[in-house]
Amino acid sequence: DVKVTQSSRYLVKRTGEKVFLECVQDMDHENMFWYRQDPGLGLRLIYFSYDVKMKEKGDIPEGYSVSREKKERFSLILESASTNQTSMYLCASSSLGWGAGYGYTFGSGTRLTVV
Amino acid sequence: AQKITQTQPGMFVQEKEAVTLDCTYDTSDQSYGLFWYKQPSSGEMIFLIYQGSYDEQNATEGRYSLNFQKARKSANLVISASQLGDSAMYFCAMREETSGSRLTFGEGTQLTVNP
Repeated sequence: DVKVTQSSRYLVKRTGEKVFLECVQDMDHENMFWYRQDPGLGLRLIYFSYDVKMKEKGDIPEGYSVSREKKERFSLILESASTNQTSMYLCASSSLGWGAGYGYTFGSGTRLTVV
Repeated sequence: AQKITQTQPGMFVQEKEAVTLDCTYDTSDQSYGLFWYKQPSSGEMIFLIYQGSYDEQNATEGRYSLNFQKARKSANLVISASQLGDSAMYFCAMREETSGSRLTFGEGTQLTVNP
């Protein structure tokens, strides 16, 4: 069964901490994405990557950075966590191509609380 | 302008009845794809159905069908014979040819199926 695995389901961090959210996929997908999900706002794209060491800003990149050193792993980094980054974070991957089979496979999400 | 709009924050339906979840989109691309995802309370995102902009027929997958009206830019999800397990958040998403592999999501609709 294909999988996107996020390292933590729940995380509590203090304001100002550096936070790492890890995502690993076993499908050899080229594309990987980080979204945050907030009530009433849907999913908003933070960063994405089309290839190893490649990254592109999404719609809300401020306060975040990413790292993709290996094809299967895409890390989201909160440089200095703030309370407004309390949210559900979803990682997804997809292969190149077009059509029904080229949508996303999602991880189970990380619910991050910054106190 | 909002690319994907879901105007129903919450919907209620009786078990065994059909329900329509609305989705309108905005794009100037000729080639695009529309996706629906289901998110139960567990948080996982489950792919339901896909419609390509050039597809002549409305997509169907079991009890799910997509009412695609291209001129009106709407892609409503129809769930027939609702079940208690259909209670979840539902997201409409769009992939545009000019945006590569990234998906843009709507705000979501919380569906509750009553016994």
